Amino acid sequence: ETGVTQTPRHLVMGMTNKKSLKCEQHLGHNAMYWYKQSAKKPLELMFVYNFKEQTENNSVPSRFSPECPNSSHLFLHLHTLQPEDSALYLCASSQDVGEGENIQYFGAGTRLSVL
Amino acid sequence: RKEVEQDPGPFNVPEGATVAFNCTYSNSASQSFFWYRQDCRKEPKLLMSVYSSGNEDGRFTAQLNRASQYISLLIRDSKLSDSATYLCVVNALNTGFQKLVFGTGTRLLVSP
Repeated sequence: ETGVTQTPRHLVMGMTNKKSLKCEQHLGHNAMYWYKQSAKKPLELMFVYNFKEQTENNSVPSRFSPECPNSSHLFLHLHTLQPEDSALYLCASSQDVGEGENIQYFGAGTRLSVL
Repeated sequence: RKEVEQDPGPFNVPEGATVAFNCTYSNSASQSFFWYRQDCRKEPKLLMSVYSSGNEDGRFTAQLNRASQYISLLIRDSKLSDSATYLCVVNALNTGFQKLVFGTGTRLLVSP
């Protein structure tokens, strides 16, 4: 147990559905991240939040919409997704995004299938 | 050129063998380095940080060569439980915040 909890663990949705992924961290960290992991590709950083403020949007399509109401919670709202968006979506947290080692701790991920 | 390059493997080794993984990175401004381990259908977990002086944790030894922009991981006396994908990870400053860049991973299969 890494202290980062993601729900749901699995999600199947149609292209016209709207769903949300949830992430919660119990580590007292100030930075949270969304990553996408597709088969045989490296983890791709999608969004970074530091002290609830978005510091990075890595050219992610607008059909992915993040929300960070506080330093412990992070959401990823999904709408009108495409089949190529099927992947493992990982949430991570770290102490902050400034100097230091920036060790990130990952949740177990949500495995998303878009039909 | 990829920011972090690793041999995808798989490396098939018998129990008790010694195996080494290599990784190269392109950003000379990279500040810290890690090896993460990812089991099948699970999340990545930090295995160890990598320091210029080299560091060891039990059967695992990590080395960093900044001049060659090269990182290595050595596993001695391999166990069945070492079977996993090993991710080389590089941390670099990017427009004011630190960003982790992941390699695609090297898959290790340890057999009885």
